[in-house]
Formats: sequence, structure tokens, C-alpha cells
Amino acid sequence: EAAVTQSPRSKVAVTGGKVTLSCHQTNNHDYMYWYRQDTGHGLRLIHYSYVADSTEKGDIPDGYKASRPSQENFSLILELASLSQTAVYFCASSYRGDSGNTLYFGEGSRLIVV
Amino acid sequence: GDSVTQTEGLVTLTEGLPVMLNCTYQTIYSNPFLFWYVQHLNESPRLLLKSFTDNKRTEHQGFHATLHKSSSSFHLQKSSAQLSDSALYYCALSDPTNTGKLTFGDGTVLTVKP
Repeated sequence: EAAVTQSPRSKVAVTGGKVTLSCHQTNNHDYMYWYRQDTGHGLRLIHYSYVADSTEKGDIPDGYKASRPSQENFSLILELASLSQTAVYFCASSYRGDSGNTLYFGEGSRLIVV
Repeated sequence: GDSVTQTEGLVTLTEGLPVMLNCTYQTIYSNPFLFWYVQHLNESPRLLLKSFTDNKRTEHQGFHATLHKSSSSFHLQKSSAQLSDSALYYCALSDPTNTGKLTFGDGTVLTVKP
């Protein structure tokens, strides 16, 4: 069974509206991440978290907020969705921040902003 | 900051021919971890192989790669391509400061034809 689950899997949002993408992991991992996937740009890190109730900015945090209310849950929030935020979003978790640790990805959430 | 370059955006091969996907990187750190992730159509990325040791060949599922720090390269190879190898391949570099953050290349789409 999937250890990292995302919801919704697909969403159409209106420009200026609020969008929340949720992620739940049962890996008992410490670290969680939100990546954005765009064709030709690979995977880019938006926010990540070491521990519950704490989040860190990644490489492209502008326009996004994150929330980690518990070890298992990590949300990505778009307060004012824009057309440029149309993308596929992946949540991932890892055991610790050790350099060689594997990232385990969720199934992805496809967001279309119109 | 760190960067990963994958020069080929698209590689098309005939089944049975060898595969080589290029990956070079830039980092200020002397001991980076390098990874290859694979993403099949409509799936999420998953780890294919990883390496930390200079000049040591790493193998998994018929693929292999050798980290060469002298040339900052971590090319992915396979002796004989299979139809099932068709996928998007990402090279990634780990931040060794224990954040667990990965910097991904833009990805290479490998298409294997009969």
C-alpha cells in the first residue's frame, strides 16, 4: 500500500482562489518535502520540513505556504492561485536529512489554474 | 548554489542498443551524493540508484553509473535497452548538510522503440 498519499489527485482552481494540497505519510519519516514538476524544469523544491510545527523554504517558495501539523501530515497552500502555478505537485518523505537517504514520493497532484 | 545538468532532453533508441544518459553537476561540497530517479508514465519518481564513492560503479536493475568527482559526472548506462526502460530519468544531487534536499536536473525522456 502507498506510504505517501496525496489529495486531491487532480484539481481545477480559479485564479485568485485558495488551494490546499495535502500529504500524508505512514513511513514514520522525519522529513517531508513539496516539489513542483514542470516539463523542461525537472523537479523543484518549494518547501520542506524537518519536524512537526516547523517548515523551511526551498528553492521556489514564492506564492506558496506550507504547514506541518504532525509528523505524518504536510500541506501546501496557495493563498492566491495564479496561472503560473499550473503544474504537478509531488510530496515526498525521507527518514532523516542524511545525504544518502532515499526520497519516497507520493502519487502527485495535478493542479490546473484557470 | 548546487546545479545538475542533463544535456539531453529526449533520447530515442532502438531496443537492444546501449543506453547512456549524461549527468554533470556543480557543488561547493567535496562529498556529494548523486542519484538517478526514474519516473514511468503516470507514476511518481522512484530511486533507481545512488552513489557517494568516487570511481566506484553502482548497479541496479541492469543500469549502472560511476561517480567521477574529477569530471563532476554521474552518467547512467545500460548495455541493452528494453521497451520497459522508456521513462523520464532524473539525475539529482544531495545537499550534504543533512537537510535531505535534492537538486534535480531537468530530466531526460528515454523512448525505446522496437
